[in-house]
Amino acid sequence: DGGITQSPKYLFRKEGQNVTLSCEQNLNHDAMYWYRQDPGQGLRLIYYSQIVNDFQKGDIAEGYSVSREKKESFPLTVTSAQKNPTAFYLCASSILTSGSPRQYNEQFFGPGTRLTVL
Amino acid sequence: KNEVEQSPQNLTAQEGEFITINCSYSVGISALHWLQQHPGGGIVSLFMLSSGKKKHGRLIATINIQEKHSSLHITASHPRDSAVYICAVAGSARQLTFGSGTQLTVLP
Repeated sequence: DGGITQSPKYLFRKEGQNVTLSCEQNLNHDAMYWYRQDPGQGLRLIYYSQIVNDFQKGDIAEGYSVSREKKESFPLTVTSAQKNPTAFYLCASSILTSGSPRQYNEQFFGPGTRLTVL
Repeated sequence: KNEVEQSPQNLTAQEGEFITINCSYSVGISALHWLQQHPGGGIVSLFMLSSGKKKHGRLIATINIQEKHSSLHITASHPRDSAVYICAVAGSARQLTFGSGTQLTVLP
C-alpha cells in the first residue's frame, strides 16, 4: 500500500535535547512538507522540499532543521533552540506539476507524531 | 497572507441532523481543501475543489469563488462523523493556509 509513515507516534524528550522525527513516503512524490499543530490553531508550515537536496523555510522554521537526501525521506530535527517544542507534528507530500510553479497539487498527510518535552 | 476563518469552532449535533461548517478566506486561491482529523491525529483529505460543488456519500462541499466562501455539509449525521474538520486554502507558491478547525460532536 502506498502512503506516508511517521515514527514514532509518541515521543518524549528532555529539555535541551535534540530529537529527530521520521517521515517516509512511497508515493513517488517530489514534494514533502512538515507542519506543526498546536491546540486551537491551524497547522503551520515549518519546512518544505520540492526536490532532493533542496528545501525551504516555512513560516516557523526557527529551532528546526531538515534534510532531503532521498526522495522518499524528509526527517525533521527539533533542536534545543526551539523554545516551545511540545506539539503535534504532521508530514505531508504531493506531486509537482513541472512547468506550472503556481499549480497546487493535493497534499497527502501522514499519521503524525506527538512530541512532548519533559 | 491569506487568512482562513472557520465557523463554528465547536458544534454538537444529534444523530441524523444536517450539519454545515463554513469557511471564509481573504485572498484569491487556486484550490480549497476540506480535511478530517480524528482523535488519533491523522488527517484525511475529504475534498479538494476550486469551483462549484462536490459530493461523496453523505458529504457535500461547495465553494463560491466570488464570495470567497466554502461550506461543508454532512447529511444524516452519525456519531462516527465526530472529528475536527479543517479548511485549508492554496494560494500562490503551492502552499496551504489552514483554518483552526471545527470540532464536531455527534451524539447518539
